[in-house]
Amino acid sequence: DARVTQTPRDKVTEMGQEVTMRCQPILGHNTVFWYRQTMMQGLELLAYFRNRAPLDDSGMPKDRFSAEMPDATLATLKIQPSEPRDSAVYFCASGGTSWNGEQFFGPGTRLTVL
Amino acid sequence: QKEVEQNSGPLSVPEGAIASLNCTYSDRVSQSFFWYRQYSGKSPELIMSIYSNGDKEDGRFTAQLNKASQYVSLLIRDSQPSDSATYLCAVSPSNAGGTSYGKLTFGQGTILTVHP
Repeated sequence: DARVTQTPRDKVTEMGQEVTMRCQPILGHNTVFWYRQTMMQGLELLAYFRNRAPLDDSGMPKDRFSAEMPDATLATLKIQPSEPRDSAVYFCASGGTSWNGEQFFGPGTRLTVL
Repeated sequence: QKEVEQNSGPLSVPEGAIASLNCTYSDRVSQSFFWYRQYSGKSPELIMSIYSNGDKEDGRFTAQLNKASQYVSLLIRDSQPSDSATYLCAVSPSNAGGTSYGKLTFGQGTILTVHP
C-alpha cells in the first residue's frame, strides 16, 4: 500500500520549543513537498525537493524554519523556535519520477504551539 | 488578484443532482490542473488531473479545461452525501520544455454539501 507517512500526527508544544516533523515519501517518488494549511491562508507551499536537492524554499520563514532530506526515504521540517502563529496542519506530499505534476499527500501533522 | 480563485461556497445540492465547481487561474503558462477532495480533518486526496483543453471523465467526475478562458471546472454527477467535502483546485506551471516545475498553487477551496 503506497502512501506518504508523516510523524507525529499531533504535536502540542510551548512557544520557544523546537519542533521536528518527519515524512516518508512514497517509495520511488523523487519529489517531496512541504505544505502548511490554516483556515486563513489555505494551503501554502513551504518548500520542495527533487532528488533530495532543495529546489524552492521561498515559502518558508528562513529565520526559524528549515527543511532537509537526509536520504531518499526521509524528509524533515524543523521549526526553532516555535511560535503560536506556527500552529497549523503541516502536510508532506510526494510526486513520482514520471513527472505529470500529480502529488499525493500524507495525513499531516497538526501542530499547536501554546 | 489571487493566482487561483474558487468560489468558497458553501455550495449545497440535493442528492442525485449535478454539482458544478469552478476555478479560474491567472498564470497563462499553467499547463497542469488538478482537483483534490478534502474531508474535514483529513488530507487532500487527488481525484482528477487534466492537461488538455476539453473534458475528461472518470466515473461520476468530469473535469473541464478551457485554457483560453483560464478556466477549469469539476462536475460531479449523481451527487451523494459522501461527496460532501472541500474541493481544492490546483494549478502547476511548466517551463519552456514542457516539464512541470511541480509547484502547485491551490485555490482556497469550495465547500460542497450534498443533502439527502
